[in-house]
Parts: sequence; structure tokens; C-alpha cells
Amino acid sequence: ETGVTQTPRHLVMGMTNKKSLKCEQHLGHNAMYWYKQSAKKPLELMFVYNFKEQTENNSVPSRFSPECPNSSHLFLHLHTLQPEDSALYLCASSQEGGVGNEQFFGPGTRLTVL
Amino acid sequence: SQKIEQNSEALNIQEGKTATLTCNYTNYSPAYLQWYRQDPGRGPVFLLLIRENEKEKRKERLKVTFDTTLKQSLFHITASQPADSATYLCALPFSSNTGKLIFGQGTTLQVKP
Repeated sequence: ETGVTQTPRHLVMGMTNKKSLKCEQHLGHNAMYWYKQSAKKPLELMFVYNFKEQTENNSVPSRFSPECPNSSHLFLHLHTLQPEDSALYLCASSQEGGVGNEQFFGPGTRLTVL
Repeated sequence: SQKIEQNSEALNIQEGKTATLTCNYTNYSPAYLQWYRQDPGRGPVFLLLIRENEKEKRKERLKVTFDTTLKQSLFHITASQPADSATYLCALPFSSNTGKLIFGQGTTLQVKP
């Protein structure tokens, strides 16, 4: 275990549904990240939070809405998704968002949009 | 823009041999480079970080080199084992003042008994 948990592990939703992904880290880190991993493509950074402040939005569509209530928790709220949004969504944390910090990843949520 | 290239073809080797994976980058002068391991259906796991002033770094059976002239990092696993079978990702910082990482596509290693 890496100290980063994600729930649910699998999610199937229709295009009109609203759902949320949850990430929790037990490492005392101050930076948290959301990544999208599609088949045969590199990890794509979506959002970065550093000390609860969003510091990066990598041109992510507004149907993805992140929330970071404290340094230990990160959510990704989903609504009106498209089938091409089906992917593995990974959460990660690091000591802080600065240079050289290794990132600790959760197991991911496998999302399928019908 | 920055570009990272890893061999997208799977690397198949025999148990006991040394596996060598390549990470090339262009339009870039990273201060460091990281390597991660990812097993199917799971998140990546950090393995090693090497800085631009370090030519080589070792950790148990792992060895990483960093050639800033060739813009290349090599990742070696000596005395490979079937348990080493996984996808290996290299990652570089987006810029010199951020921890934001750009990941390569990864190379899948298959070690046969």
C-alpha cells in the first residue's frame, strides 16, 4: 500500500449521471494530483493542489470539477461525461508541489461512461 | 514543446539477463528525471530519481543513467526476474520551478522464466 486510497475502484455511469471520485492520503503530504490514463496513452495531468490551493488546471473540460477540502482529501466531481472520458483516474500526492518530490499514487478508479 | 519518448514496443528478455529501457527527450533540459513502475490496473510506484549532475544512480538491482548531452536516460535491471515484469515509466518535470511531471508512454517489460 502506498498510503493513498481511492474510492470507488470501479465506476460505470451514464452520460447524464453525476458521480464523485474520492482520494485520501495518509502520508501528511501537502500536494495532491489528479491524472487520467487512457489505453496506450501517457498519464495526463489534470489538476494539482498545493496546500489546498489549485495550482494547475491542465485545460480540463468543465464536466470535471475538483475539490480539495483539506490536504488529505481530494475529490473529482463528474457530470455529463462523454464515452471518451472512460479511463483510469489516478490520484497522487507528494510532500509538496515543488521540484524533485516523488509522487505516491493510489490504485486508481476505472471509469466507464456508457 | 517538450517531448518524451519511450520504446512503445514490449521488451521480452530471459530471466537472469539485464533489461535496458530507454527514455529520450527533446526540447528540454530537465533538472532531474524519475522512473516509476506500473503493474496492470494499478497506480505507478516511484523507483528512482536522478539529478542532472548525477551520471548514474543505483538501488539494489536497478541502475539509472542520465546523459544530458544525449538527452537520454537508461534504466537497467540486472539479474532480471519474472516479478520484474511490468510497465516502466520515465517522468520529467515540466519546468525548473515546478513539481509538475510529464510522463512518457512507458515500456512494458516481460521477463520469461
